[in-house]
Parts: sequence; structure tokens; C-alpha cells
Amino acid sequence: RKEVEQDPGPFNVPEGATVAFNCTYSNSASQSFFWYRQDCRKEPKLLMSVYSSGNEDGRFTAQLNRASQYISLLIRDSKLSDSATYLCVVTPGGFKTIFGAGTRLFVKA
Amino acid sequence: DTGVSQNPRHKITKRGQNVTFRCDPISEHNRLYWYRQTLGQGPEFLTYFQNEAQLEKSRLLSDRFSAERPKGSFSTLEIQRTEQGDSAMYLCASTRGGAENEQFFGPGTRLTVL
Repeated sequence: RKEVEQDPGPFNVPEGATVAFNCTYSNSASQSFFWYRQDCRKEPKLLMSVYSSGNEDGRFTAQLNRASQYISLLIRDSKLSDSATYLCVVTPGGFKTIFGAGTRLFVKA
Repeated sequence: DTGVSQNPRHKITKRGQNVTFRCDPISEHNRLYWYRQTLGQGPEFLTYFQNEAQLEKSRLLSDRFSAERPKGSFSTLEIQRTEQGDSAMYLCASTRGGAENEQFFGPGTRLTVL
């Protein structure tokens, strides 16, 4: 089993749609959780950290469920500019950082 | 530009040759990571430095791979006797503080082994 698994993509949605991504992790001792965004042929950039209480940043909402060992990302009112690959990231303790394989999102006009 | 820089941006080499990549992190960042990314996959952790100390290495990092950060500033990643399977994007990231902090990535070095 992979340490971090994400929904297989791609997700193709129209502008204005709401889309949700899920990610599961295998190490129950994992401590920090993030969503990164990666545009085509670019480096990953932090989208948001994921806290136990959940957090929201504009159209983006991230949630963490420690009991079920998954995190989610909800994007509301999708924009064309949201088209990218979304990477789930977990630090399982120690110094390693584990990235999921990513979920590709295509937002179409 | 105060971001993470990597050199070279592209490297084409023949199988069996040695290659070395350089990463210059953001100046005040004491933590540095190396990753490898192949098409359709997320970045794969290779190694981690806190200042000049290499504190963790992935078991995926064979003995052909070595990384250094001699003065706690820039870092180098060397691959000896390259194989075609080493073809990938090699990414460097830096951060200040703990693992809960944002990692800032460089643009990567794309390695092609012929």
C-alpha cells in the first residue's frame, strides 16, 4: 500500500462547479498535512496547510479526518485558472515528506 | 530573485556518465530537501539536510546517489554511473523551521540519460 494515495484523475469540470479531492495516508502517526498545486512543467507550490480543525481560504476548504486517515480539498466556483495538478502531502514523522501522485483538474469554459 | 535556484536546468548525458546538480536555497532557510519526479507522479523524497547535516536518506537512494551541503548553504546531488531509469526531474526545496512549514521549490533540473 502506498503511503499516500489520491483520487485518480483527471477531473473535468465546467467553470463554476464544485469539485472535491480525497487523499488517504497509511501512517497514523503522521503529523503535518498539506495541499500543493503544480502547474504543467512548473514546480509545486503550497496551496494550503491542513489543520485538525479544518481550514478555509476563499474558495478552497481543506479538512482532516485523523480517525479515518484522510484529508480532503474542496474547490468551490471553479475557475479556468484552477486547472492544475493537486498534490496531497504528508509528513509521517521524522524528516521525510511524502507526496501523493497528484490529481489533475481541468476546468473548462 | 530570492527564490530557490537550481543549475543546470537541463542535462543530457550518456548512460554511465556522472552528473552533478546544484541547489541554492533561500538564504535564511536551514532545511533543504531533494526530490525526484517522473511523469504522472508526485515528487519522491530523496534526502533531507538540516544545515550541513544529512539527517535522512530514502532507501530508494542507491549508492550511486550522493548529496552534500558542505557549509549549510548550497547543496549538490551527484549521480554516478547514470542509468536510463535515472531520467527524471530533480527538484530541490528549502524551508525554515520544522516539517510543518511550507517548502519552497526550485524550478528543477531535468535529467535525460541516453
